[in-house]
Amino acid sequence: GDSVTQTEGLVTLTEGLPVMLNCTYQTIYSNPFLFWYVQHLNESPRLLLKSFTDNKRTEHQGFHATLHKSSSSFHLQKSSAQLSDSALYYCALGQGGRALIFGTGTTVSVSP
Amino acid sequence: EAAVTQSPRNKVTVTGGNVTLSCRQTNSHNYMYWYRQDTGHGLRLIHYSYGAGNLQIGDVPDGYKATRTTQEDFFLLLELASPSQTSLYFCASSEQGTTGNTLYFGEGSRLIVV
Repeated sequence: GDSVTQTEGLVTLTEGLPVMLNCTYQTIYSNPFLFWYVQHLNESPRLLLKSFTDNKRTEHQGFHATLHKSSSSFHLQKSSAQLSDSALYYCALGQGGRALIFGTGTTVSVSP
Repeated sequence: EAAVTQSPRNKVTVTGGNVTLSCRQTNSHNYMYWYRQDTGHGLRLIHYSYGAGNLQIGDVPDGYKATRTTQEDFFLLLELASPSQTSLYFCASSEQGTTGNTLYFGEGSRLIVV
C-alpha cells in the first residue's frame, strides 16, 4: 500500500548549520501531492509547503523542497537553522482523492 | 485562517468508559478528519468524512466510531475505552479531498484512559 518514510526520528544541530530532513514515499499513483507539515511544541500541525510538480523547487519561510518522482523523494532543506525551527516535522502524501498519509515525523532540535 | 475547534481539550476516563470527542469547523469545508498522534507512529487516520451523513474508514479504525451530523460537526466516539486509546487526537478539515488541499487542524484533545 501507499506509505511515507521518514528515516530520522530526531535531528539535533547547532544554530546556523544547514538542515535536511529525508522523506521518501511509495504510491501506485503517478501524480501524488507531497506536503511538509510543522508542529511546534504544544501547537497543532500546520502546512509548511507542498508540491505537485516534478523537479520543481518549492520554498516557504526559508525552507525548500523538490519533488523527485524518479526517486520518490521530497526532502526538506534549510540553509541555516534557527532556534525557532525546533519542532516536529511531518512529511505527507496525498493521492487519488484519499486522505493524507503521514510519515512518523522527525523532531528537530536546534541549540545555540 | 480556517477555524477548527475541538472539545474537550483534556479528558481522563476509566477503562470501559464512554467518551465523545467533538469537532466543529466554521469554514464550510467539505472534508473532516480524525487523527491520533503517538510518539513513534506520527499522525494516523482514524475516520474521515466528505459531508454530513458520510463516513469513511481510515487506517486505524478499530475501537472508534464517528458521526458527521452537519457540515460543521464531526464526532469521534469511544464506546469502550481502553488504555491503548490514550493519545492526542486531532480533528482537521479541508475544502476538498486532500490531494493538493491544505488540512487545517484543531488544537487537539488529549485523552487518558486509566
